[in-house]
Amino acid sequence: GAVVSQHPSRVICKSGTSVKIECRSLDFQATTMFWYRQFPKQSLMLMATSNEGSKATYEQGVEKDKFLINHASLTLSTLTVTSAHPEDSSFYICSASSKQQGGEKLFFGSGTQLSVL
Amino acid sequence: GQNIDQPTEMTATEGAIVQINCTYQTSGFNGLFWYQQHAGEAPTFLSYNVLDGLEEKGRFSSFLSRSKGYSYLLLKELQMKDSASYLCAVRIYDYKLSFGAGTTVTVRA
Repeated sequence: GAVVSQHPSRVICKSGTSVKIECRSLDFQATTMFWYRQFPKQSLMLMATSNEGSKATYEQGVEKDKFLINHASLTLSTLTVTSAHPEDSSFYICSASSKQQGGEKLFFGSGTQLSVL
Repeated sequence: GQNIDQPTEMTATEGAIVQINCTYQTSGFNGLFWYQQHAGEAPTFLSYNVLDGLEEKGRFSSFLSRSKGYSYLLLKELQMKDSASYLCAVRIYDYKLSFGAGTTVTVRA
């Protein structure tokens, strides 16, 4: 089945630094990828929709200058948390849609736990 | 906005049956997903309903009533490994999903 690889799985950084998270579709081309954030014991909140070759569409309340999304190819989207602060500490998950026989399916990456000190 | 409601927690005994309800009011509807999520891990797909009725997959079944904005996930013959959070998610359009807050199910021996 389709696989979405997300790296790193865990990152600890100092306040004020930037962190890049990669999301790759390993065996399919993903024209659309999604980035979610999840705080402890809460559900996934969609941050942005990433379309290959175009600007990402951000959800209301998500700062596009702080959470930079690049979808340069059909298999790679990156999320960069710029000037990270402790309140940005969260679990970040990407997902990618794949058109397959039987319909379109959505696959999730394994998530990245970000801790900002 | 999107409103997706499900209970916060449920507890059941090993071997029992548990039903997790989900009600939704969303700006669009193109199907409803149920996912299982263990702490610190990504969600894993359980079921997808787009038409009214019951979908059965082994020990898990999911039901949808679009007119009532209601779905449930039924877990039968509960096992300890079923202890997890269960997320109800509505597909608004394309693959934009809006998630409920999740129901934490605890299975006790």
